[in-house]
Amino acid sequence: KAGVTQTPRYLIKTRGQQVTLSCSPISGHRSVSWYQQTPGQGLQFLFEYFSETQRNKGNFPGRFSGRQFSNSRSEMNVSTLELGDSALYLCASSLLSRVSEDGYTFGSGTRLTVV
Amino acid sequence: DAKTTQPNSMESNEEEPVHLPCNHSTISGTDYIHWYRQLPSQGPEYVIHGLTSNVNNRMASLAIAEDRKSSTLILHRATLRDAAVYYCILRIGGSNYKLTFGKGTLLTVNP
Repeated sequence: KAGVTQTPRYLIKTRGQQVTLSCSPISGHRSVSWYQQTPGQGLQFLFEYFSETQRNKGNFPGRFSGRQFSNSRSEMNVSTLELGDSALYLCASSLLSRVSEDGYTFGSGTRLTVV
Repeated sequence: DAKTTQPNSMESNEEEPVHLPCNHSTISGTDYIHWYRQLPSQGPEYVIHGLTSNVNNRMASLAIAEDRKSSTLILHRATLRDAAVYYCILRIGGSNYKLTFGKGTLLTVNP
Protein backbone atom coordinates (compact mmCIF):
# COMPACT_ATOMS: atom_id res chain seq x y z
CA LYS A 1 0.00 0.00 0.00
CA ALA A 2 1.10 3.57 -0.57
CA GLY A 3 2.92 5.24 2.30
CA VAL A 4 2.61 8.75 3.64
CA THR A 5 3.16 11.20 0.80
CA GLN A 6 4.53 14.65 1.38
CA THR A 7 4.80 17.34 -1.26
CA PRO A 8 6.91 19.05 -2.27
CA ARG A 9 10.13 17.27 -1.28
CA TYR A 10 12.24 20.41 -1.45
CA LEU A 11 11.34 24.06 -1.22
CA ILE A 12 13.30 27.31 -1.15
CA LYS A 13 11.56 30.42 0.10
CA THR A 14 12.54 33.97 0.96
CA ARG A 15 12.21 35.51 4.41
CA GLY A 16 8.79 37.04 4.91
CA GLN A 17 7.04 34.75 2.46
CA GLN A 18 4.55 32.09 3.42
CA VAL A 19 4.56 28.41 2.54
CA THR A 20 2.05 25.56 2.46
CA LEU A 21 3.13 21.94 2.79
CA SER A 22 0.92 19.00 1.96
CA CYS A 23 0.57 15.52 3.45
CA SER A 24 -1.49 12.58 2.22
CA PRO A 25 -1.77 9.89 4.91
CA ILE A 26 -2.02 6.16 4.36
CA SER A 27 -5.49 5.27 3.16
CA GLY A 28 -7.78 4.73 6.14
CA HIS A 29 -5.55 6.60 8.58
CA ARG A 30 -7.42 9.42 10.27
CA SER A 31 -4.73 10.77 12.60
CA VAL A 32 -2.16 13.07 11.02
CA SER A 33 0.68 14.78 12.86
CA TRP A 34 3.37 17.24 11.87
CA TYR A 35 6.92 17.50 13.19
CA GLN A 36 9.82 19.85 12.60
CA GLN A 37 13.38 18.50 12.58
CA THR A 38 16.44 20.71 12.86
CA PRO A 39 20.04 19.83 13.77
CA GLY A 40 19.87 21.96 16.90
CA GLN A 41 16.43 21.08 18.32
CA GLY A 42 15.94 17.61 16.91
CA LEU A 43 12.41 16.38 16.25
CA GLN A 44 9.70 18.62 17.68
CA PHE A 45 5.95 18.10 17.61
CA LEU A 46 3.92 20.77 15.82
CA PHE A 47 0.29 19.57 15.90
CA GLU A 48 -1.97 16.57 15.46
CA TYR A 49 -5.33 16.23 13.75
CA PHE A 50 -7.98 13.56 13.90
CA SER A 51 -11.17 13.74 11.86
CA GLU A 52 -10.51 17.38 10.95
CA THR A 53 -10.07 18.42 14.61
CA GLN A 54 -6.80 19.56 16.12
CA ARG A 55 -6.29 17.49 19.27
CA ASN A 56 -2.88 18.65 20.35
CA LYS A 57 -0.49 21.48 19.57
CA GLY A 58 3.20 21.91 20.28
CA ASN A 59 5.05 25.00 21.45
CA PHE A 60 5.37 26.86 18.18
CA PRO A 61 4.34 30.44 17.38
CA GLY A 62 1.02 31.19 15.74
CA ARG A 63 2.77 31.57 12.38
CA PHE A 64 2.59 27.79 12.20
CA SER A 65 -0.88 26.49 11.44
CA GLY A 66 -2.45 23.43 10.00
CA ARG A 67 -5.68 21.86 8.92
CA GLN A 68 -7.10 18.51 7.95
CA PHE A 69 -9.63 17.85 5.24
CA SER A 70 -12.50 15.39 5.21
CA ASN A 71 -10.41 12.89 3.22
CA SER A 72 -7.76 13.07 6.02
CA ARG A 73 -5.24 14.90 3.86
CA SER A 74 -3.52 17.62 5.79
CA GLU A 75 -1.72 20.87 5.11
CA MET A 76 0.50 22.99 7.26
CA ASN A 77 1.18 26.65 6.65
CA VAL A 78 3.98 28.85 7.86
CA SER A 79 3.52 32.57 7.43
CA THR A 80 6.13 35.32 7.56
CA LEU A 81 9.00 32.90 7.16
CA GLU A 82 12.15 33.35 9.20
CA LEU A 83 15.61 31.94 8.58
CA GLY A 84 15.14 29.71 11.63
CA ASP A 85 12.19 27.99 9.99
CA SER A 86 14.61 26.16 7.71
CA ALA A 87 14.07 22.54 8.59
CA LEU A 88 12.81 19.15 7.55
CA TYR A 89 9.04 19.03 8.07
CA LEU A 90 7.69 15.55 8.64
CA CYS A 91 4.15 14.29 8.51
CA ALA A 92 3.02 11.09 10.21
CA SER A 93 -0.24 9.18 10.12
CA SER A 94 -1.80 6.55 12.35
CA LEU A 95 -4.78 4.23 12.11
CA LEU A 96 -6.08 4.20 15.64
CA SER A 97 -7.47 7.14 17.51
CA ARG A 98 -5.74 5.94 20.66
CA VAL A 99 -2.27 6.29 19.26
CA SER A 100 -0.48 5.00 22.31
CA GLU A 101 -1.51 1.59 21.09
CA ASP A 102 -0.35 2.04 17.53
CA GLY A 103 2.66 3.27 15.68
CA TYR A 104 2.95 6.26 13.43
CA THR A 105 4.03 5.98 9.81
CA PHE A 106 6.16 8.90 8.73
CA GLY A 107 6.64 10.41 5.32
CA SER A 108 10.05 11.32 3.91
CA GLY A 109 9.50 14.97 4.69
CA THR A 110 9.67 18.34 3.00
CA ARG A 111 13.04 20.08 3.20
CA LEU A 112 12.34 23.81 3.56
CA THR A 113 15.15 26.30 3.12
CA VAL A 114 14.52 29.95 3.94
CA VAL A 115 16.98 32.43 2.41
CA ASP B 1 5.84 13.16 29.13
CA ALA B 2 8.09 11.03 31.30
CA LYS B 3 11.75 11.23 30.35
CA THR B 4 13.93 8.54 28.78
CA THR B 5 17.72 8.22 28.86
CA GLN B 6 19.68 6.55 26.09
CA PRO B 7 23.40 6.32 25.30
CA ASN B 8 24.46 8.83 22.67
CA SER B 9 26.03 6.21 20.45
CA MET B 10 26.72 2.50 20.13
CA GLU B 11 28.69 0.38 17.74
CA SER B 12 28.08 -3.13 16.49
CA ASN B 13 29.42 -5.57 13.95
CA GLU B 14 27.36 -6.89 11.10
CA GLU B 15 25.42 -10.10 11.80
CA GLU B 16 25.89 -9.76 15.57
CA PRO B 17 23.05 -9.03 18.03
CA VAL B 18 22.61 -5.49 19.26
CA HIS B 19 21.09 -4.50 22.60
CA LEU B 20 20.01 -0.87 22.77
CA PRO B 21 19.19 0.21 26.35
CA CYS B 22 16.71 2.81 27.53
CA ASN B 23 16.12 4.01 31.07
CA HIS B 24 12.75 5.44 32.06
CA SER B 25 12.75 5.49 35.84
CA THR B 26 9.76 7.88 36.07
CA ILE B 27 7.49 5.76 33.89
CA SER B 28 3.87 5.56 35.04
CA GLY B 29 1.57 2.59 34.88
CA THR B 30 -0.21 3.77 31.74
CA ASP B 31 2.89 4.72 29.72
CA TYR B 32 3.61 2.64 26.65
CA ILE B 33 7.23 2.20 25.56
CA HIS B 34 7.71 2.94 21.87
CA TRP B 35 10.82 2.64 19.70
CA TYR B 36 11.41 4.41 16.42
CA ARG B 37 14.48 4.63 14.25
CA GLN B 38 15.56 7.14 11.67
CA LEU B 39 17.79 6.16 8.81
CA PRO B 40 19.84 8.87 7.09
CA SER B 41 17.74 11.17 4.91
CA GLN B 42 14.48 9.49 5.89
CA GLY B 43 11.61 10.09 8.28
CA PRO B 44 11.43 8.07 11.51
CA GLU B 45 10.25 4.51 11.21
CA TYR B 46 8.15 2.70 13.82
CA VAL B 47 9.98 -0.32 15.21
CA ILE B 48 8.05 -1.77 18.13
CA HIS B 49 6.11 -0.89 21.27
CA GLY B 50 5.01 -2.56 24.49
CA LEU B 51 3.43 -1.97 27.88
CA THR B 52 4.51 -4.67 30.32
CA SER B 53 5.34 -7.88 28.51
CA ASN B 54 8.22 -8.54 26.14
CA VAL B 55 7.26 -8.11 22.50
CA ASN B 56 8.58 -9.55 19.26
CA ASN B 57 7.98 -8.56 15.67
CA ARG B 58 9.74 -9.06 12.37
CA MET B 59 12.08 -6.13 12.98
CA ALA B 60 13.13 -6.51 16.59
CA SER B 61 12.34 -7.62 20.13
CA LEU B 62 11.54 -5.42 23.09
CA ALA B 63 12.53 -6.61 26.53
CA ILE B 64 10.88 -4.71 29.39
CA ALA B 65 12.24 -4.91 32.92
CA GLU B 66 9.89 -6.26 35.56
CA ASP B 67 9.72 -2.87 37.32
CA ARG B 68 9.35 -1.18 33.89
CA LYS B 69 12.05 1.34 34.73
CA SER B 70 14.15 0.23 31.79
CA SER B 71 13.81 -1.56 28.49
CA THR B 72 16.07 -2.95 25.78
CA LEU B 73 15.56 -3.01 22.05
CA ILE B 74 17.15 -6.11 20.58
CA LEU B 75 18.19 -6.43 16.96
CA HIS B 76 18.96 -10.11 16.58
CA ARG B 77 21.38 -9.86 13.65
CA ALA B 78 22.49 -6.37 12.76
CA THR B 79 22.85 -5.45 9.12
CA LEU B 80 24.37 -2.36 7.55
CA ARG B 81 20.82 -1.21 6.89
CA ASP B 82 20.19 -1.04 10.65
CA ALA B 83 22.60 1.87 11.03
CA ALA B 84 20.32 4.65 12.26
CA VAL B 85 19.35 6.82 15.21
CA TYR B 86 17.12 4.83 17.58
CA TYR B 87 14.60 6.69 19.73
CA CYS B 88 12.97 5.32 22.88
CA ILE B 89 9.72 7.19 23.64
CA LEU B 90 7.08 6.93 26.35
CA ARG B 91 3.45 7.40 25.38
CA ILE B 92 0.67 8.03 27.87
CA GLY B 93 -2.04 5.48 27.34
CA GLY B 94 -5.18 6.60 25.56
CA SER B 95 -4.78 10.33 25.53
CA ASN B 96 -1.39 11.42 24.28
CA TYR B 97 -1.41 12.37 20.65
CA LYS B 98 2.22 13.30 20.21
CA LEU B 99 5.67 11.76 20.21
CA THR B 100 8.34 13.47 22.30
CA PHE B 101 11.68 12.60 20.75
CA GLY B 102 14.92 12.79 22.70
CA LYS B 103 18.33 12.71 21.06
CA GLY B 104 18.30 8.94 20.63
CA THR B 105 21.17 6.51 20.15
CA LEU B 106 23.23 6.63 16.98
CA LEU B 107 23.94 3.01 16.04
CA THR B 108 26.93 2.35 13.81
CA VAL B 109 27.18 -1.09 12.19
CA ASN B 110 30.62 -2.17 11.05
CA PRO B 111 30.97 -4.57 8.10
